[in-house]
Amino acid sequence: NAGVTQTPKFRILKIGQSMTLQCAQDMNHNYMYWYRQDPGMGLKLIYYSVGAGITDKGEVPNGYNVSRSTTEDFPLRLELAAPSQTSVYFCASSYYGLNEKLFFGSGTQLSVL
Amino acid sequence: KQEVTQIPAALSVPEGENLVLNCSFTDSAIYNLQWFRQDPGKGLTSLLLIQSSQREQTSGRLNASLDKSSGRSTLYIAASQPGDSATYLCAVRRDSNYQLIWGAGTKLIIKP
Repeated sequence: NAGVTQTPKFRILKIGQSMTLQCAQDMNHNYMYWYRQDPGMGLKLIYYSVGAGITDKGEVPNGYNVSRSTTEDFPLRLELAAPSQTSVYFCASSYYGLNEKLFFGSGTQLSVL
Repeated sequence: KQEVTQIPAALSVPEGENLVLNCSFTDSAIYNLQWFRQDPGKGLTSLLLIQSSQREQTSGRLNASLDKSSGRSTLYIAASQPGDSATYLCAVRRDSNYQLIWGAGTKLIIKP
């Protein structure tokens, strides 16, 4: 059972480039989330999804886009990368939303130079 | 606005000691609170989830308590081991809201 899988693990982007962070889960979870973690800070929610075809903004959505075409996959798209998007990105999932433990991927460390 | 604070930011203790990690929150109207462990390069692992109606949860050597009226949660680790070394984060869920509010974490080092 792989759980939540994120790719890539590391990436360096130039300012203005775009990329997609991939996230897949094999636990048949309905809810999926994207967080970013800056050094010495707690996590901040970027986007979340409560099921295929449904997405919603979190606390810091600007500069990002998501889609949820299947239950398993929840990619995060960065358009026109900026240095402020340098961070560690975590994807997480849960079966239901409010009373369930979250399962996290191992993270993607992104640097925008 | 809900704010979550974890003090101290770092803690180093000898192996075998019992220890307490602290988590404070400013708004007592919470839905639940979770404690997570973060290992470098391995993401986060949920340790314990306490519902707002509960006072504590236990898993093995870990015990988490919740006191909503004082805005505090503690994570008690019994008989600490070097393998417990990690960063511990708490996160609070507001009422009927999918957003978790996170503390910055306490980095714990257990010295052999």
